[in-house]
Amino acid sequence: QKEVEQNSGPLSVPEGAIASLNCTYSDRGSQSFFWYRQYSGKSPELIMFIYSNGDKEDGRFTAQLNKASQYVSLLIRDSQPSDSATYLCAVIEGKLIFGQGTTLQVKP
Amino acid sequence: KAGVTQTPRYLIKTRGQQVTLSCSPISGHRSVSWYQQTPGQGLQFLFEYFSETQRNKGNFPGRFSGRQFSNSRSEMNVSTLELGDSALYLCASSFDPLAGGELFFGEGSRLTVL
Repeated sequence: QKEVEQNSGPLSVPEGAIASLNCTYSDRGSQSFFWYRQYSGKSPELIMFIYSNGDKEDGRFTAQLNKASQYVSLLIRDSQPSDSATYLCAVIEGKLIFGQGTTLQVKP
Repeated sequence: KAGVTQTPRYLIKTRGQQVTLSCSPISGHRSVSWYQQTPGQGLQFLFEYFSETQRNKGNFPGRFSGRQFSNSRSEMNVSTLELGDSALYLCASSFDPLAGGELFFGEGSRLTVL
């Protein structure tokens, strides 16, 4: 089993819709969770982090963490074509481990 | 402030050769992490250096090695190159990723092995 798992997609949503991206992790002791965004041909950049169970909102982005079920998700409200990118979930499991990433396509 | 600088940006090598990649972190950052990115495997952790010490290592063969200098600059070396080593190698600097510090990535070094 991979340490951090994501559906590679692509996930396709229409402009204005909510995009839901999911990630599961294997280490129950993990405490810190991150979402990075990577545009095609560019390097990853941090968009959100979450440490506590529940929701954390930042503009159109909401990160959700459920430690009991070992999953973390990212919701993007009012999706825009500029949100089209690969979203990488990252978890600290002794080192920062990335999932394979989910490619999001937002269609105008 | 200046970002993370990786050199060279592109390089082509043949099987059996060795390669050295360089990374200059953001000023003040003591941690440098290296990742290999391929379409099939995503971002794979190679190793992390913090204050000149290798703190963590991923599941890569011993042909992959690295080091960090006193000015926090880091190098990674791959010896006896194989075709499967063709990838984008990303360096990321941070105050301390294990304390939740944000990773700032360089633009990467794209290695092609023929």
